[in-house]
Amino acid sequence: GQSLEQPSEVTAVEGAIVQINCTYQTSGFYGLSWYQQHDGGAPTFLSYNALDGLEETGRFSSFLSRSDSYGYLLLQELQMKDSASYFCAVRAVQAGTALIFGKGTTLSVSS
Amino acid sequence: NAGVTQTPKFRVLKTGQSMTLLCAQDMNHEYMYWYRQDPGMGLRLIHYSVGEGTTAKGEVPDGYNVSRLKKQNFLLGLESAAPSQTSVYFCASRDSLDNKKLFFGSGTQLSVL
Repeated sequence: GQSLEQPSEVTAVEGAIVQINCTYQTSGFYGLSWYQQHDGGAPTFLSYNALDGLEETGRFSSFLSRSDSYGYLLLQELQMKDSASYFCAVRAVQAGTALIFGKGTTLSVSS
Repeated sequence: NAGVTQTPKFRVLKTGQSMTLLCAQDMNHEYMYWYRQDPGMGLRLIHYSVGEGTTAKGEVPDGYNVSRLKKQNFLLGLESAAPSQTSVYFCASRDSLDNKKLFFGSGTQLSVL
């Protein structure tokens, strides 16, 4: 089967840098995605890595190491509005095109 | 630009009642998905569709049925609701040429008493 592991909670202060790790197990790999979800809202796409290395999008970066089945989301210059849940996801081998999500990491940013 | 629209936004059912959740997308996407989200469980795939007239089971399909009679609509049915189906339901869609990005609806909060 497939599984993803990520920490359940992370706390940080405004202006800091935080890293959310994700390890995955899957028989076929098509890339690692990251989604953000604010309380009461819908998940929104943040980032995607198909190849090893770092992808940067503004204050957010995502890293992938396929040999280690590991990735992380890096959030810099944290702001209060970054308080949200963050999910890593991989493509579901058994379910064709769907994504299988980790259980999510709740990030709390304090002032 | 509506994107993915889910109706209703909230619903309370009694055990044994039936209902249908509607998902509509205006982006001409081929692929559509239904997920449920429970506290501490993340998003779990219920059913999905890779095109009009096709559906398939996901991780947690029991107690649900789906239909995709039109490309833009994906319906999720509960024939006999159970308290274990109390959850937030999200519909999502994506373009067949872009396997990176899912577009989600705003969700339906369902309570089964």
